[in-house]
Amino acid sequence: DTGVSQNPRHKITKRGQNVTFRCDPISEHNRLYWYRQTLGQGPEFLTYFQNEAQLEKSRLLSDRFSAERPKGSFSTLEIQRTEQGDSAMYLCASSLEVVENTEAFFGQGTRLTVV
Amino acid sequence: AQSVTQLDSQVPVFEEAPVELRCNYSSSVSVYLFWYVQYPNQGLQLLLKYLSGSTLVKGINGFEAEFNKSQTSFHLRKPSVHISDTAEYFCAVRGWEISNFGNEKLTFGTGTRLTIIP
Repeated sequence: DTGVSQNPRHKITKRGQNVTFRCDPISEHNRLYWYRQTLGQGPEFLTYFQNEAQLEKSRLLSDRFSAERPKGSFSTLEIQRTEQGDSAMYLCASSLEVVENTEAFFGQGTRLTVV
Repeated sequence: AQSVTQLDSQVPVFEEAPVELRCNYSSSVSVYLFWYVQYPNQGLQLLLKYLSGSTLVKGINGFEAEFNKSQTSFHLRKPSVHISDTAEYFCAVRGWEISNFGNEKLTFGTGTRLTIIP
């Protein structure tokens, strides 16, 4: 399968702990996005990379959140000192920078539950 | 900032009946429009997209949507639904003004849950 892969699929953590998620995009895609989806809502943009450069961050991305894409391939999203409000589905998407065919492919997401 | 409104949070439809899911977006100089489908505990799958050209766009699984610039709408339609169409549907926009040309992020609506009644 050459789709977007996210790990883990589910994560349960205690409040105050740190968590890290991984996203492996489609191999030739140079753009990678992180979104967060809470229950009953649509996905909300968090940040995106073009190759290894982080080009935009949402105001939703507080100081406790950090994302990296060190070699322009896979990406990690870390949440420090988790809070119950961080419970959500974290979605990763990737795309190829071709204007005429711009489409983001989404992974299956990582569901985070903070208890 | 961009916004997307999906007025119907839930739409029940009898099997083989037609359906329309409504989507309105805030106006921008330029827009790309998308409909995604999400099955339970899954990621998002693209149904169709409007980038330019013909305002009637056909997608997968028999869905189509029409871009109406004057009404800032992009409603999704299917002439005859099937049980397997039961899912959450999200409308999304990527829009920009002169000031933020090159905006790369998608703004999603809150979704419409489509339930097919046998």
